[in-house]
Amino acid sequence: QKEVEQNSGPLSVPEGAIASLNCTYSDRGSQSFFWYRQYSGKSPELIMSIYSNGDKEDGRFTAQLNKASQYVSLLIRDSQPSDSATYLCAVNTRDDKIIFGKGTRLHILP
Amino acid sequence: DGGITQSPKYLFRKEGQNVTLSCEQNLNHDAMYWYRQDPGQGLRLIYYSQIVNDFQKGDIAEGYSVSREKKESFPLTVTSAQKNPTAFYLCASSSSGMDSPLHFGNGTRLTVT
Repeated sequence: QKEVEQNSGPLSVPEGAIASLNCTYSDRGSQSFFWYRQYSGKSPELIMSIYSNGDKEDGRFTAQLNKASQYVSLLIRDSQPSDSATYLCAVNTRDDKIIFGKGTRLHILP
Repeated sequence: DGGITQSPKYLFRKEGQNVTLSCEQNLNHDAMYWYRQDPGQGLRLIYYSQIVNDFQKGDIAEGYSVSREKKESFPLTVTSAQKNPTAFYLCASSSSGMDSPLHFGNGTRLTVT
């Protein structure tokens, strides 16, 4: 079965520091990769999408993709207390399913 | 405003009863998905549909059924055969194509006692 793996955390990061979230996936045919943020009791919201190897930056967020290593990461610069949430990695598989990891809980320390 | 509407937000049922969760979207998206989320867990795919009148089983389809008679609607029925139905259910949609991200509804929290 195709899988997406994430460290469940919690990951505690001081306010203003860089938070680094990691994800690995098993389906070598995957072409699309997404990071979602989910606050407790709410639905996920899209943070970043990435499709090509390398880095993609959007404001304080940078997604990094390495298809050879089957690895995707999300960096959050200048972390804010409002960034405290669960971050879900999602991957589109060859059979058009989008599957999720279990998420990493991020806690920004004031 | 375009979006995905799930109703109701909270749903309570007795064990042994079937229950249908509603999901409607006005984004003109072709694909629709149902996920289940348990406390502290990620999202697990129940069913998905890429086009009207067609749908596929996800990873945990047992005890669930769906229909896709209209592009904008993708209701999920939780049957009495589902052994642990209490969960947070999320409906999502996307444009066709592998690079399309999901747009989520606000979810339905189902409690079965």
